[in-house]
Amino acid sequence: GESVGLHLPTLSVQEGDNSIINCAYSNSASDYFIWYKQESGKGPQFIIDIRSNMDKRQGQRVTVLLNKTVKHLSLQIAATQPGDSAVYFCAHRPSSGGYNKLIFGAGTRLAVHP
Amino acid sequence: DSGVTQTPKHLITATGQRVTLRCSPRSGDLSVYWYQQSLDQGLQFLIQYYNGEERAKGNILERFSAQQFPDLHSELNLSSLELGDSALYFCASSVGGQTSSGNTIYFGEGSWLTVV
Repeated sequence: GESVGLHLPTLSVQEGDNSIINCAYSNSASDYFIWYKQESGKGPQFIIDIRSNMDKRQGQRVTVLLNKTVKHLSLQIAATQPGDSAVYFCAHRPSSGGYNKLIFGAGTRLAVHP
Repeated sequence: DSGVTQTPKHLITATGQRVTLRCSPRSGDLSVYWYQQSLDQGLQFLIQYYNGEERAKGNILERFSAQQFPDLHSELNLSSLELGDSALYFCASSVGGQTSSGNTIYFGEGSWLTVV
């Protein structure tokens, strides 16, 4: 079946360090991936996305890496700040069942310590 | 602020009752999506509407229904409520009807539903 999972449910980092949040997916035909950030009491906030024809995409302080060979997705946050503390979700668009839904992973909580 | 507005923010109701959750998409967005977030199931896609018509269906129970009105706002109707329906219900919107790069999906703040 299709699934998107995360390797680590909680990640603790020091302020200023780089953070790496990992995600594995099972559907090798998935062609679109997204990272969302959800702060407490708020809705998911779009961070960055990547299509399957790309290996890497950079945003402001964030980089998403896609390894289709091992079906692995990662989000790198540079110089992590306290405001980055949140739950991070990876999501993918499955190749079957229509192009109009996203499958979300379970989420990883990022805790940034001063 | 994503621009997606959901009401009510919190709702407590009894089992067997019916509730309606309301969503106003971002200005200019034609697609509305509904998601359910619970502790044990995570974020689950329920249904999508595009310009008034149902576009995609996910794990939506038969007791639940939704619609999108001509002014593009949407309502999610939950009936015969059970304890297990307690969750955070998110509405999201996007310009286009297809999930793809360039068609970012923006989420509202959610409606907390507690069934007692």
